[in-house]
Amino acid sequence: DAGITQSPRHKVTETGTPVTLRCHQTENHRYMYWYRQDPGHGLRLIHYSYGVKDTDKGEVSDGYSVSRSKTEDFLLTLESATSSQTSVYFCATRTSGGAGNTGELFFGEGSRLTVL
Amino acid sequence: AQSVTQLGSHVSVSEGALVLLRCNYSSSVPPYLFWYVQYPNQGLQLLLKYTSAATLVKGINGFEAEFKKSETSFHLTKPSAHMSDAAEYFCAVSEGSNFGNEKLTFGTGTRLTIIP
Repeated sequence: DAGITQSPRHKVTETGTPVTLRCHQTENHRYMYWYRQDPGHGLRLIHYSYGVKDTDKGEVSDGYSVSRSKTEDFLLTLESATSSQTSVYFCATRTSGGAGNTGELFFGEGSRLTVL
Repeated sequence: AQSVTQLGSHVSVSEGALVLLRCNYSSSVPPYLFWYVQYPNQGLQLLLKYTSAATLVKGINGFEAEFKKSETSFHLTKPSAHMSDAAEYFCAVSEGSNFGNEKLTFGTGTRLTIIP
């Protein structure tokens, strides 16, 4: 299994406060993703990264920003948390393209965020 | 744009009975298809994947899925359910075969309950 660690695993915060979630990987995977999981919606992509300092938006990026200054770390920031951002957040990684790569994602164990 | 539809947000089967979880996809190019499983309070892990080789794909824990292009389906089956199969299952689609910036799109999930 890919070594993917998310922190914090649980966080309760108040509306309007900034929050940063961290994803750390030890597999040297090129691609990293942040998803949110909500009942009835499955997993939805927030942002992703295809290399150091290379990031792009997913389908639900409003209110979120990301940064990747090192291969192993991918940070998700909520500049001003809202109750609608209460969710479980998952980080995932994938190796780079090429022969033999079948696009499998490896997931962290999730970060449960509650915004009061 | 690619999409996945999972029919049935909840499925219950008796222990020892056939498991059938339905997934239909939409893709403008030949897709790569995946089934992931999520146990309570954990991240997702890969069950199996279709990557344009054999249309019948075998995965872990006795699960298999058949790619049917004419029906745009990729249903997940297991001949005999076990209590340990209780989990949430996600179907996902990825377009293209280069695995560069392609992203996975997930379905909304099916929660499988096993009745003793």
